[in-house]
Amino acid sequence: SQQGEEDPQALSIQEGENATMNCSYKTSINNLQWYRQNSGRGLVHLILIRSNEREKHSGRLRVTLDTSKKSSSLLITASRAADTASYFCATFTNDMRFGAGTRLTVKP
Amino acid sequence: EAGVVQSPRYKIIEKKQPVAFWCNPISGHNTLYWYRQNLGQGPELLIRYENEEAVDDSQLPKDRFSAERLKGVDSTLKIQPAELGDSAVYLCASSLYRNTGELFFGEGSRLTVL
Repeated sequence: SQQGEEDPQALSIQEGENATMNCSYKTSINNLQWYRQNSGRGLVHLILIRSNEREKHSGRLRVTLDTSKKSSSLLITASRAADTASYFCATFTNDMRFGAGTRLTVKP
Repeated sequence: EAGVVQSPRYKIIEKKQPVAFWCNPISGHNTLYWYRQNLGQGPELLIRYENEEAVDDSQLPKDRFSAERLKGVDSTLKIQPAELGDSAVYLCASSLYRNTGELFFGEGSRLTVL
């Protein structure tokens, strides 16, 4: 069974714009991670945020975590065509469970 | 450093035939996961290994699926017999630290059952 739910399911933006994806989950977690998946490829880890952290940055990525609302967001700033992919949040309790993902399309 | 290696990348079989997938995790990674990913969905956990021990196989359809991890390194996932609904991508992932670490995924094995 899947733990997280991403919103929106699909997002289409122009190059240079910011992309925001949200993730909601149901149970207490140890950490939350975001992964990217290019079409036909495996998942690649982007960033991990622990349950006692509220915000984390990595390059053009910004992740927030609100444990009281059981939600997280991933912001990609100044998007590029190469950012086109599916993005998944994954929550770790006893195991790593993934949401259904957000399909991001960045138009050049 | 080599990543997680999976084979075959693609497999097409007739229903009721058997199929097997192989995974070689990153050296030193004790935790190994098998996930199934249906089209347009996120990965769903099938089984997790800590070394050679299967510690969470509650999502593995045991009537037709089996898995093993010999000597705590390579792992195989078998389906026998395959059904139409088994068509999916089977992903293998490994991690160094189960409790906190990131997962490293292979490229996946895409199964089509006709």
